[in-house]
Amino acid sequence: DGGITQSPKYLFRKEGQNVTLSCEQNLNHDAMYWYRQDPGQGLRLIYYSQIVNDFQKGDIAEGYSVSREKKESFPLTVTSAQKNPTAFYLCASGPREGNGYTFGSGTRLTVV
Amino acid sequence: SQQGEEDPQALSIQEGENATMNCSYKTSINNLQWYRQNSGRGLVHLILIRSNEREKHSGRLRVTLDTSKKSSSLLITASRAADTASYFCATDRGNYGQNFVFGPGTRLSVLP
Repeated sequence: DGGITQSPKYLFRKEGQNVTLSCEQNLNHDAMYWYRQDPGQGLRLIYYSQIVNDFQKGDIAEGYSVSREKKESFPLTVTSAQKNPTAFYLCASGPREGNGYTFGSGTRLTVV
Repeated sequence: SQQGEEDPQALSIQEGENATMNCSYKTSINNLQWYRQNSGRGLVHLILIRSNEREKHSGRLRVTLDTSKKSSSLLITASRAADTASYFCATDRGNYGQNFVFGPGTRLSVLP
């Protein structure tokens, strides 16, 4: 089955730690995206990548980093510079132009 | 700033009734999409409508687009309890779908 997988489903981070969220897709999509969702709110774009080895900052990139070394994978690192990281993180992929995204099931990150 | 914004923020209806949600946006677009999100899950793509289209149907869903008013509507006919979810519109930034901006969503409750 083609799809997009995010792991882990739940993640707890201590103050000052970096954590990495995994996103893998086997849909052969060129583009991949990371969004952050806070309770009762819409999605805000963190980073996106249209092609391997290239990525662009979204609207709220500060405190986050990404890599795109393989077409299938787009991991997101939440660094200690992100002061309010507790949120629901959603990864998506899609064809390079137009059409709909396919979303993963999300990672809920909590700072403890 | 958000490109798309849904209205109303929350909507409660009885099973069998129709539900209408609206989306307004600020700048010119090429595509507009509607997504559904069940609580704590990823988003599911419902419909994409292009700027040269005025109406699209998919099963019980009907989407309209009025580019002169910069608005779209999503109509769900004969609603079911399983339609209970948040619904989001997503608009591109006029850049042929390089990335989409999501509104805060409409929370739909369908009561049995």
